[in-house]
Amino acid sequence: NAGVTQTPKFRILKIGQSMTLQCTQDMNHNYMYWYRQDPGMGLKLIYYSVGAGITDKGEVPNGYNVSRSTTEDFPLRLELAAPSQTSVYFCASSPGTSGRSEQFFGPGTRLTVL
Amino acid sequence: GNSVTQMEGPVTLSEEAFLTINCTYTATGYPSLFWYVQYPGEGLQLLLKATKADDKGSNKGFEATYRKETTSFHLEKGSVQVSDSAVYFCALGGDYKLSFGAGTTVTVRA
Repeated sequence: NAGVTQTPKFRILKIGQSMTLQCTQDMNHNYMYWYRQDPGMGLKLIYYSVGAGITDKGEVPNGYNVSRSTTEDFPLRLELAAPSQTSVYFCASSPGTSGRSEQFFGPGTRLTVL
Repeated sequence: GNSVTQMEGPVTLSEEAFLTINCTYTATGYPSLFWYVQYPGEGLQLLLKATKADDKGSNKGFEATYRKETTSFHLEKGSVQVSDSAVYFCALGGDYKLSFGAGTTVTVRA
């Protein structure tokens, strides 16, 4: 049982490049989330999904896109990278709503845009 | 809307000292409250939680009590160890997302 896995661990992008951050969970959780973590700012929700085929925006969705074709996978797409997207990105999953259920986090992807 | 305010760090302590990290919240309804911990180079993991007023969450020697009258969920540990060095996040559970505090960095010196 690997939990939540993320790839890559580190990435450097040039301004205007695109990339996909991968996230997979093997716990059969319906709910999945993408966060970004900036120094001293806590975590901000980018997008979330309540099940396959259903996604919705969080607090800071601009510049990102997601899809959820399976229960296991929830990739995050950056289309035109900007320096403001330099951050650490965490994927998480939970078996139920955040009001009651623990979220399980992946190890993170550290992205630098130059 | 929901929000969480937690004590700013960094906090530096000696081993066996008492640790407290303050957390207050603003919310509608009756949210659940959580403390997550992030060790260096890792993702967040749940430390403890409380789902209703007066509940006490506890784990690994840490405790926090859900105080509705003061809208607080302060984290405490009586005797910290070097291995407790980490970033601690207070969080509030809403319908579909967690609202996080900014995090408090704790360093414990031997």
